[in-house]
Amino acid sequence: EVQLVQSGAEVKKPGSIVKISCKVSGYTFKDYYLQWVRQAPGKGLEWVGLIDPEHGKTTYAVKFQGRVTITADTSTDIAYMELRSLTSEDTAVYYCVPGTPGYWGQGTLVIVSS
Amino acid sequence: DIVMTQTPLSSPVALGQPASISCRSSQSLVHSEGNTFLHWLQQRPGQPPRLLVYEISNRFSGVPDRFSGSGAGTDFTLKISRVEAEDVGVYYCMQGTQFPYTFGQGTKLEIK
Repeated sequence: EVQLVQSGAEVKKPGSIVKISCKVSGYTFKDYYLQWVRQAPGKGLEWVGLIDPEHGKTTYAVKFQGRVTITADTSTDIAYMELRSLTSEDTAVYYCVPGTPGYWGQGTLVIVSS
Repeated sequence: DIVMTQTPLSSPVALGQPASISCRSSQSLVHSEGNTFLHWLQQRPGQPPRLLVYEISNRFSGVPDRFSGSGAGTDFTLKISRVEAEDVGVYYCMQGTQFPYTFGQGTKLEIK
């Protein structure tokens, strides 16, 4: 059974950094790209970027380039997303999603507030 | 970026009646390898999205056969043959052909 277990909710100050984890099981971590998608309260879905865990190659949406880093640890089957210079507009639920989006993590709520 | 445009944005449907959602992309979604990475997702209130249909017309595991997808190139449709109460939620199309992947705005399905 494929499972994606994300780290817990975070409350951050504007200008700070958040790092979210996604522990995968039930499939071979290296075999599928791992995406991050976010959803602001009451809004639609927004693609942040992805990583090829086997090769470490990343692709980011232009909007987040320079501010986001996605990494993957193939020894622990954990992916990470770090987002820097947070603003209130980064308040959202962040999801990790492998491959064709058949399985989703439970989501991690990030609240950015002073 | 490829823009995904869904219509309608809201769809009140009576139980047992059919529903249809359209998704149009600003560019062809045919990948250079020949596949078309157009997917349909359902998001029930308070839950993560759930994959219904992948690559235009393939139902994902466990998805009832009342859901079907069709289309080609830039025009795609999700159909529900007979709406049930559990189908209430927001439906998104998503393209995974070209970076950055993008989503439609979402279509809210509600029971009339």
